[in-house]
Amino acid sequence: EAGVAQSPRYKIIEKRQSVAFWCNPISGHATLYWYQQILGQGPKLLIQFQNNGVVDDSQLPKDRFSAERLKGVDSTLKIQPAKLEDSAVYLCAIPSGTGVTYEQYFGPGTRLTVT
Amino acid sequence: AQSVAQPEDQVNVAEGNPLTVKCTYSVSGNPYLFWYVQYPNRGLQFLLKYITGDNLVKGSYGFEAEFNKSQTSFHLKKPSALVSDSALYFCAVRLPYTGGFKTIFGAGTRLFVKA
Repeated sequence: EAGVAQSPRYKIIEKRQSVAFWCNPISGHATLYWYQQILGQGPKLLIQFQNNGVVDDSQLPKDRFSAERLKGVDSTLKIQPAKLEDSAVYLCAIPSGTGVTYEQYFGPGTRLTVT
Repeated sequence: AQSVAQPEDQVNVAEGNPLTVKCTYSVSGNPYLFWYVQYPNRGLQFLLKYITGDNLVKGSYGFEAEFNKSQTSFHLKKPSALVSDSALYFCAVRLPYTGGFKTIFGAGTRLFVKA
């Protein structure tokens, strides 16, 4: 968890409402990831940023999900409108270094419950 | 399709006994393999990784993993389990794609260590 702050930690909303999550890497890093972790599954990459630009958003449901990264540091992930199947933990992560062999540091996550 | 499999949803061991959490992968080329652990209400933490070289890699908290290329496996092991090792363990593989590299996670294995 060191190096990545996320807020809020928990969020409960009704379906069709909107919600936003924040990620704040304590130490600036060019690469930032958002993952979705549904209960009983491993994390699934939603979007990868390199500085302010999107590298991979192939698994982001773009009709309802959006993400941005301002000034290459903080990032927000938004869902509008939410569906029941969006209930999950949303994890933000940064690499521990540059290069493909580095592991990732994960934030504590935001647990979203859609009722 | 490139994938990571963790064939056991749950592993139960008694404290002091050796433990093994299994992982197999299906990727083209030489994989970069990782193990992460997730404690309750916390984000994923890196345990260890295999990049190249010695097939036996050692990581945090006394864990180790053995890379077996012929069996395409990367099983996580510990000689003597502790109750505090009880957690959710994820195997992951880092592989190239058109935009760079991405990490694919297994579904996870829950480890219960009984006192």
